[in-house]
Amino acid sequence: QKEVEQDPGPLSVPEGAIVSLNCTYSNSAFQYFMWYRQYSRKGPELLMYTYSSGNKEDGRFTAQVDKSSKYISLFIRDSQPSDSATYLCAMSGGAQKLVFGQGTRLTINP
Amino acid sequence: GAVVSQHPSWVICKSGTSVKIECRSLDFQATTMFWYRQFPKQSLMLMATSNEGSKATYEQGVEKDKFLINHASLTLSTLTVTSAHPEDSSFYICSARGPGDEDEQYFGPGTRLTVT
Repeated sequence: QKEVEQDPGPLSVPEGAIVSLNCTYSNSAFQYFMWYRQYSRKGPELLMYTYSSGNKEDGRFTAQVDKSSKYISLFIRDSQPSDSATYLCAMSGGAQKLVFGQGTRLTINP
Repeated sequence: GAVVSQHPSWVICKSGTSVKIECRSLDFQATTMFWYRQFPKQSLMLMATSNEGSKATYEQGVEKDKFLINHASLTLSTLTVTSAHPEDSSFYICSARGPGDEDEQYFGPGTRLTVT
């Protein structure tokens, strides 16, 4: 079993839809949770960073962490074609090294 | 803030030659940088952790003599692929640990290496 599981998709939704991306994990020591967006042939861009459980909102993006269920989510509201990218969840236990999910390929159709 | 650059963005080299890739933190000091490798449609694979002023820590299965890492200053880490072969062709990405006390990492734009 992988430490972090993420559905690779691909996921295709119409413009304006709410997108839900999810990851599950098995290591209860993880405390820091991140979502990255990666466009083709580019480096990952940090979108959201959360420590421990709870919600965090930034514009159209909301990150949720449920440590009791070992489950994290990223919601994108009013999705735009420019949101089309691969979304990677990542997490760590404070030892600096990040463990990444496989990435979910998302396409927003105009 | 927290911008990381890489140079070059794309390089082609002949088999048997060496290639150096630079990673710089532009607006913060990074005591720790990371080097990743990414194959098409796959996630990032951590190759090594680079700490300023000390030897890099390599992940299992990564040849330290082939992938030389130098973190000579708080804003620069380099990865040298020695005696490159076609199977070394990949997308190499560096990241730097953020300026705070937490674990977020900021990534460079990546370097595409093609070995012919």
